[in-house]
Amino acid sequence: SQKIEQNSEALNIQEGKTATLTCNYTNYSPAYLQWYRQDPGRGPVFLLLIRENEKEKRKERLKVTFDTTLKQSLFHITASQPADSATYLCAPTRGGDMRFGAGTRLTVKP
Amino acid sequence: GAGVSQSPSNKVTEKGKDVELRCDPISGHTALYWYRQRLGQGLEFLIYFQGNSAPDKSGLPSDRFSAERTGESVSTLTIQRTQQEDSAVYLCASSFSGGARRGENEQFFGPGTRLTVL
Repeated sequence: SQKIEQNSEALNIQEGKTATLTCNYTNYSPAYLQWYRQDPGRGPVFLLLIRENEKEKRKERLKVTFDTTLKQSLFHITASQPADSATYLCAPTRGGDMRFGAGTRLTVKP
Repeated sequence: GAGVSQSPSNKVTEKGKDVELRCDPISGHTALYWYRQRLGQGLEFLIYFQGNSAPDKSGLPSDRFSAERTGESVSTLTIQRTQQEDSAVYLCASSFSGGARRGENEQFFGPGTRLTVL
């Protein structure tokens, strides 16, 4: 069955470091992959969308890669700040079938 | 309004009662989605409306769940004979479709309705 895994439930890093979050998928070949940020008690907020023919996409301090061979997307936040602390969700999609991962809770410590 | 709104923000009900949750999408967004999020878990797709097309109901967990949408505006999610396992946050999202299929455009989420079934 199709499965989406995001690395360890929680990730703690020091302010200023680069956070790297992983999204692995099995039995699935997404054509698109979205990343969202969710703060406690709020709905997810869209961050980036990457297509299968794009290897990398950037937006300010954010960078997403999409490796269809490894079946993996990496989400990087450079120069991390305490305000980046949140849960990050990946959502691969193919043919209108969009699935969300359970998310990784990131805590950036000052 | 500027964003997706949902009401009520919180709903506490007794097992066996029916509940109705409301979503007001962003004006002009033809696509509307309902999701369920249990505590500490990811989003579970429930139903998808796209313009005048028949809704994609493939995610509805049982026939106790139903949803309607009036044109390209308000949507209501109804849960009949609620059970304790229905307790969760119900999220609504909308997006501008432009011919794209579900998941191919960014989605704008509302704040959710927290449902507690006692």
